[in-house]
Amino acid sequence: SQQGEEDPQALSIQEGENATMNCSYKTSINNLQWYRQNSGRGLVHLILIRSNEREKHSGRLRVTLDTSKKSSSLLITASRAADTASYFCASISGGYQKVTFGIGTKLQVIP
Amino acid sequence: NAGVTQTPKFQVLKTGQSMTLQCAQDMNHNSMYWYRQDPGMGLRLIYYSASEGTTDKGEVPNGYNVSRLNKREFSLRLESAAPSQTSVYFCASSGQSSYNEQFFGPGTRLTVL
Repeated sequence: SQQGEEDPQALSIQEGENATMNCSYKTSINNLQWYRQNSGRGLVHLILIRSNEREKHSGRLRVTLDTSKKSSSLLITASRAADTASYFCASISGGYQKVTFGIGTKLQVIP
Repeated sequence: NAGVTQTPKFQVLKTGQSMTLQCAQDMNHNSMYWYRQDPGMGLRLIYYSASEGTTDKGEVPNGYNVSRLNKREFSLRLESAAPSQTSVYFCASSGQSSYNEQFFGPGTRLTVL
């Protein structure tokens, strides 16, 4: 199976609710990043958490990292219809900074 | 600043035809990447170039070749297209940061009949 697997693969919530997405990875990492992809577009970097950090915030985004469980979560608070997109985690590892993307979580926020 | 640009946006090929996907970045980044994205598979790395003059295979290099023409441009060539290469192709670049944040182009949707 792929490193950087997201869970759930699809999520549908009402506007205003919180959305939580999880990501697992298999090898030791240097850092872990989350990206967003709107339909038909390229990926856009959202937030990065380093391997020695446990939690990071950016606006309505909160990322946690548990290196003992090799997992991360992305929380989007007070979701908006404009948050509808696919979200990918990417684990960065090795001396040459290998990037491994997960399969993504498709989030739908219903107005 | 255009960021990362890709051409063409869409392409339809017949099996056996060849084509080159073009990518350029104007952020003075050293590293550039080619990914393919297929439903349920996420993004898979085809080739990457850590710096001008170097290229390396990624996870799925078979059937592809690349050229790092200069620091700005990184092209992907399909010599003899196959239906299994139907996919969306993304080019990305990253700079000097040790965190390897990637900047993506808008993608090329390729269909091989």
